[in-house]
Amino acid sequence: QSALTQPASVSGSPGQSITLSCTGTSSDVGNYNYVSWYQHHPGKAPKLMIHDVSNRPSGVSDRFSGSKSGNTASLTISGLQAEDEADYYCSSYTSSSIWVFGGGTKLTVL
Amino acid sequence: QVQLQESGPGLVKPSQTLSLACAVSGASISSGNYYWTWIRQPAGKGLEWIGRISTSGSTNYNPSLKSRVTISVDTSRNQFALQLTSVTAADTAVYYCARYMIASRTFDPWGQGTLVTVSS
Repeated sequence: QSALTQPASVSGSPGQSITLSCTGTSSDVGNYNYVSWYQHHPGKAPKLMIHDVSNRPSGVSDRFSGSKSGNTASLTISGLQAEDEADYYCSSYTSSSIWVFGGGTKLTVL
Repeated sequence: QVQLQESGPGLVKPSQTLSLACAVSGASISSGNYYWTWIRQPAGKGLEWIGRISTSGSTNYNPSLKSRVTISVDTSRNQFALQLTSVTAADTAVYYCARYMIASRTFDPWGQGTLVTVSS
């Protein structure tokens, strides 16, 4: 069981918007704005998509956005494209001075 | 462009020590506001942060693995290493190395990962 809870799978059609959730506790997501999201295509290195809840690194499409409410962080992908099909992981810093991750969400573009 | 590449045995026997190295290119492992980090993913499960080492050599480990883990740096080779002792089948996983950027609190970049299987 992962420290952060993510839905196992989400699907959407090209052009749609989808939102992935990441639920933690008051000891991690709820207490720190240090939530990041990573995109992982199997066999490749995971790629940073969002950091500090809602900040997008240079080079990442503005179709990706992040937010947080209470103990739940969210990643929204708008204008879904085939290349967005991948696994997505969230992570958070914790009050135990370690980092925790979610179990990952497999995004399928129909 | 900074790149990381894991290397090491793909098969380790139970009770033995798992040893992996992460070669860093495009940046000096001994400078900058970074931590050098190991993360793993057992098959069908989520990611687990193993631990990190700073450029000054200080370490921090996941309490769940702390008694068995050592992370070290080899500045002459510009790489860092992971040792995990007394392994069991539960340690079978894809192991990733990553740079943790202190300023942005992110793991970036990551290596592609290496599968380590614990089996006799």
